[in-house]
Amino acid sequence: QVQIQQWGAGLLKPSETLSLTCAVSGGSFSGYYWSWIRQAPGKGLEWLAEVNHSGGTNYNPALKSRVTVSVDTFKVQVSLRLKSVTAADTAVYYCARVGRRAYHYDEKIYGPWGQGALVTVSS
Amino acid sequence: ETVLTQSPGTLSLSPGARATLSCRASQSIDTTYFAWYQQKPGQAPRLLIYSTTTRATGISDRFTGSGSGTDFTLTIKRLQSEDSAVYYCQQYDGWPQTFGQGTKLEI
Repeated sequence: QVQIQQWGAGLLKPSETLSLTCAVSGGSFSGYYWSWIRQAPGKGLEWLAEVNHSGGTNYNPALKSRVTVSVDTFKVQVSLRLKSVTAADTAVYYCARVGRRAYHYDEKIYGPWGQGALVTVSS
Repeated sequence: ETVLTQSPGTLSLSPGARATLSCRASQSIDTTYFAWYQQKPGQAPRLLIYSTTTRATGISDRFTGSGSGTDFTLTIKRLQSEDSAVYYCQQYDGWPQTFGQGTKLEI
């Protein structure tokens, strides 16, 4: 049973850099992409970026200039950095596995998910 | 970017009734690349349906997905109080993958 645990700073000031990490346990890490998805308060879901076990990445064009995702295969962890945050970046950030089956990269459905991390940007 | 518009915004129904949730896409979507999620308060979303009609592991047969082209539907039969949640549609045919804004179902 794959489990995803997330952590990172919860309160940031405008212009700072958001940094979150998720650790994967209990299942295969290789062969999958791992995505970051966020949800602003009372809003819908927004896909941000994904990274696979070998460091391949894809980014949402709307945020590409500010987002970086990376992988540490030794620690079985995936990280998200979002620079120059503003109040509009206040959201719950989720880490999730992409796809049901390893190496089926076109199946961009999400699950399991981490517990989510609330990040608030306020001066 | 493919925009998904869900309707209604909120749906209030009684236990035992049937719910019909709609999702309309701004351009045609291959049915292979369409999904539905359920999100309860304080929880992460949970995958319900993928490839338009296939239920994810452990999902009750009370949940049925259908549709094609630009119009997709999630039907929930014999509503139970535990079905109260926000439901999101998602397309992963176009780039980037996008979600609808959600339909809140109140039982």
